[in-house]
Amino acid sequence: KAGVTQTPRYLIKTRGQQVTLSCSPISGHRSVSWYQQTPGQGLQFLFEYFSETQRNKGNFPGRFSGRQFSNSRSEMNVSTLELGDSALYLCASSLRGAGGETQYFGPGTRLLVL
Amino acid sequence: AQSVAQPEDQVNVAEGNPLTVKCTYSVSGNPYLFWYVQYPNRGLQFLLKYITGDNLVKGSYGFEAEFNKSQTSFHLKKPSALVSDSALYFCAVRDGDTGNQFYFGTGTSLTVIP
Repeated sequence: KAGVTQTPRYLIKTRGQQVTLSCSPISGHRSVSWYQQTPGQGLQFLFEYFSETQRNKGNFPGRFSGRQFSNSRSEMNVSTLELGDSALYLCASSLRGAGGETQYFGPGTRLLVL
Repeated sequence: AQSVAQPEDQVNVAEGNPLTVKCTYSVSGNPYLFWYVQYPNRGLQFLLKYITGDNLVKGSYGFEAEFNKSQTSFHLKKPSALVSDSALYFCAVRDGDTGNQFYFGTGTSLTVIP
């Protein structure tokens, strides 16, 4: 079974631009979560989608948004980029996002904002 | 509030010696606990989890972890460290009662010295 895939793997943007990242979950997984990883901060939860609905949301500004499609693929968008948005963005999928289910992570998209 | 603490940013151990990576957690309900490992330029890879049952959990690559409810800890251990175990290790918790998001620690960088 193919793992979680994320595209693109690397991105360079300038301040003020917007960016869209894509995540394809493991086949059959309907829950997709997004995380921001920065040195010293660990993984910060952005949001979780299940069956095209946002189920949980972390403490990030409204510039960060996401959506999920009927095939469970998910995108996240960051508008009006700031230097501090430079990070590794990780996507994780699980079957239903319930309780003790394991989340499986993609390789991440590394975003650099100049 | 739910949280995870990994008190050591860096752990160094000699090859062949036992290793321990510490994790303590705080949740209001029943804890679901996870360990992940991250190699350079890669996503997180699942190692093991505790949901219920035996407090000693065995996982991939010879790793194990012990759930200690009274000390709210879930330390990761391995009897004999390998140089290839050098990586970044993350502990995560999810509240089993509310089923909300995962909370990750800030990570512990493990270096196994040949």
